[in-house]
Amino acid sequence: DIQLTQSPSFLSASVGDRVSITCRASQGISSYLAWYHQKPGKAPKLLIYAASTLQSGVPPRFSGSGSGTEFTLTISSLQPEDFATYYCQQLNSYPTYTFGQGTKLEIK
Amino acid sequence: EVQLVESGGGLVKPGGSLRLSCVASGFTLSTYTMNWIRQAPGKGLEWVSSIDSSSSYKFYADSLKGRFTISRDNANNSLYLQINSLSAEDTAVYYCARVGLRVAWDAFDIWGQGTMVTVSS
Repeated sequence: DIQLTQSPSFLSASVGDRVSITCRASQGISSYLAWYHQKPGKAPKLLIYAASTLQSGVPPRFSGSGSGTEFTLTISSLQPEDFATYYCQQLNSYPTYTFGQGTKLEIK
Repeated sequence: EVQLVESGGGLVKPGGSLRLSCVASGFTLSTYTMNWIRQAPGKGLEWVSSIDSSSSYKFYADSLKGRFTISRDNANNSLYLQINSLSAEDTAVYYCARVGLRVAWDAFDIWGQGTMVTVSS
């Protein structure tokens, strides 16, 4: 099974900061990776698919990069609504899937 | 509006069974591969099961095989998850989600709001 490891698990930042979250896969997954964020009590929301393609309606301050085993989600200038938990998901083993353990982004 | 709405969760005693439903609106369910994902309280996301558009294949997380059964009724735009022999470890919010059609190996582009399953005596 493909395992995903996100780092860091917790991140404290301020409005306006640039932040990055890393997702590492236990084996190569090409560009078959997605990013979601989730606010308390809500369903996850898709941000990025195919490693770097922005989901329709998602602000351009979000960007994704990487391929193979290492991927990065970057938020260029944090907004108050971005404080949430972020998950990566590998799609390489379609139609079975795994998620990273999550990164909780908190306000400093 | 494109949406998924889950139902069927609730309080169940250990050893009991439950059938979760997910109804699609605003799009034709029969076109899409569908999934169930769960999230235990305070924990991360765990993929549970997937079913292709015509029910030709069904996949389950290795740790859950045998107690979970996914099915769908395209005529009624509905997806289901039957869970048997429930234990406290199955306590979670259960989400249904759609696989997009934009690229090969697409992501889960639409999610339901979730239905809570609590297993307790």
